[in-house]
This record gives sequence, C-alpha cells and structure tokens, in this order.
Amino acid sequence: DADVTQTPRNRITKTGKRIMLECSQTKGHDRMYWYRQDPGLGLRLIYYSFDVKDINKGEISDGYSVSRQAQAKFSLSLESAIPNQTALYFCATSAKDRGNQPQHFGDGTRLSIL
Amino acid sequence: GEDVEQSLFLSVREGDSSVINCTYTDSSSTYLYWYKQEPGAGLQLLTYIFSNMDMKQDQRLTVLLNKKDKHLSLRIADTQTGDSAIYFCAESFRSQGNLIFGKGTKLSVKP
Repeated sequence: DADVTQTPRNRITKTGKRIMLECSQTKGHDRMYWYRQDPGLGLRLIYYSFDVKDINKGEISDGYSVSRQAQAKFSLSLESAIPNQTALYFCATSAKDRGNQPQHFGDGTRLSIL
Repeated sequence: GEDVEQSLFLSVREGDSSVINCTYTDSSSTYLYWYKQEPGAGLQLLTYIFSNMDMKQDQRLTVLLNKKDKHLSLRIADTQTGDSAIYFCAESFRSQGNLIFGKGTKLSVKP
C-alpha cells in the first residue's frame, strides 16, 4: 500500500547497535501499529498508537520503543539490537472507527542483526 | 482470550477451487478480515465480513461465516498461479482497536 511508507526496506546491522525504523502515512488515519513477522509465527503486535498522545504496548514490546512524532509518523527503535530481533517488520494504519477497522500495511522492513 | 487458528499449508491445482479455513474463539468479534501476502510484500486487504452476515461474495472470492461454530472460510474460485500467497484471517472487536491475526495459510497453486 503506497500510502504507508516504511524506511529502510532492508537493513543489516550488528548486535548492540541502535536501529530506527520509520513509518509515514498519507491516509490521514489516527491509528498506527508496528508488527513483526517471523516464519511460522504470523504477525505479532509490538506497539500501537491510537493518536499522538496515546501509545500502548503490544504482545512483544520488550526490547523495543516507539515514538509518534506526528499523526502521520510512527517510528520503531531497537535500542541495542540482538540477533533474535532479526525479522520482517510491518507498519500499519487504521481509521478511528469502533466498527470496521481494516488495517493498511506498508511493504515491510527486512531487518537482519548479525 | 482471543485466538485465531488456521492450517499452515494448502496445495491446489490451477483451475480448482481453494478453501482456506479459520476458527476463532471470541464471539464478540465485530468484523472478520482476509489478507493476502505475496512474497516480499506487505499484507493486502482482500475482503471482510461483518459478524452479523453469513456470506459475502466478491468476484472469485466467497467468504462464509458460521457464528455458531466460530468458523470463517475463504473460497477462491478458479484458482490461478497468481493466487499463490499466504492468506491471513483476522478479527476485530468493537471495544478495542486491534486486529488479532492467525498465523497464515500458505496457498500453493500447481499448474
């Protein structure tokens, strides 16, 4: 979905480094999400934000932090990367609606930690 | 708690119908979704169904919902090689903003 842009698309780095993954959206959605995808485990929610001042931990937030700099931007940081954080990371957005809330995904960031 | 289960693999021949199944545990879900993930790409929303509906059809896609058994299925008619992908089912809840995803079903279409 070109309306949700993730940078970088690929990143290789070393254990202990600080990494930031960025997500920006032009959909005007209030809600943004970070997931990681591992083979056989599906998508697991790391953090989510319902608006600029509302940030919540997801299922697997340990080792990660986020920043919602503006309605359109939501970044994910790994303060000190470790090899088991090697995964495919997705950002998603959704509208503020208590009913139908489909999430719209970026194309992902493939992160490898050596 | 919420849980969404899918079988991990499905293999069909080109031209046949594919049926991908999903079960969920929480009866308070409001919408149920099907997403498609092609290799190297993000998740693409295919279709969704409101929880008070039984069926929804959209071209080659048919979604069936059995609320009593908490069972959701996605039927793809005349399956093509371009349908090869991982398919995720997901549910949402009126009281929350999150989606709960299954682990995905990898569909392989053989010529």
